[in-house]
Amino acid sequence: GQNIDQPTEMTATEGAIVQINCTYQTSGFNGLFWYQQHAGEAPTFLSYNVLDGLEEKGRFSSFLSRSKGYSYLLLKELQMKDSASYLCAVETAGNKLTFGGGTRVLVKP
Amino acid sequence: DVKVTQSSRYLVKRTGEKVFLECVQDMDHENMFWYRQDPGLGLRLIYFSYDVKMKEKGDIPEGYSVSREKKERFSLILESASTNQTSMYLCASRGGNEQFFGPGTRLTVL
Repeated sequence: GQNIDQPTEMTATEGAIVQINCTYQTSGFNGLFWYQQHAGEAPTFLSYNVLDGLEEKGRFSSFLSRSKGYSYLLLKELQMKDSASYLCAVETAGNKLTFGGGTRVLVKP
Repeated sequence: DVKVTQSSRYLVKRTGEKVFLECVQDMDHENMFWYRQDPGLGLRLIYFSYDVKMKEKGDIPEGYSVSREKKERFSLILESASTNQTSMYLCASRGGNEQFFGPGTRLTVL
């Protein structure tokens, strides 16, 4: 079966850094996605990691360790608009995505 | 810009009704997906399709069927709606390494 774990909720202050962890145990692995989802809206793509290491994209970075079944999403210089849910998803054969439950991030002034 | 559209944002149906949820994408993508999203359970894959007339069961296909008669359109069908199918339904289309989601349909079954 597929198991993807991420924290339910995190709170951080505007301007700070927050790291959202995601651990997974899946049968097969093609890559790992991170999505952002604001309340009442569709998820939007943030990053896709296939190889081990850190991928940086502006204020957001994503890290993957395939041997440890572990990824994190790093959000720097937090802004109020970053308050949202962040979804970790593992891609397996056939482009199938299995999602974690999502982490709700609340940014406080 | 890729656009994935869904026929309704909000829908209210009665138990036992047949319900059609339509999804259209405009980027000639072959792969399309239907998910439902429930609090505490995240997104769960119902069905997906690799190409016209092809369909594969996802993780929770029971009570649902799908139709893909044209490449751009992927329909989700609830043969006989039940209250436990009240949920947010999200369609997605895959191009390259990115999956694009539609705005979602919030379905309430009374």
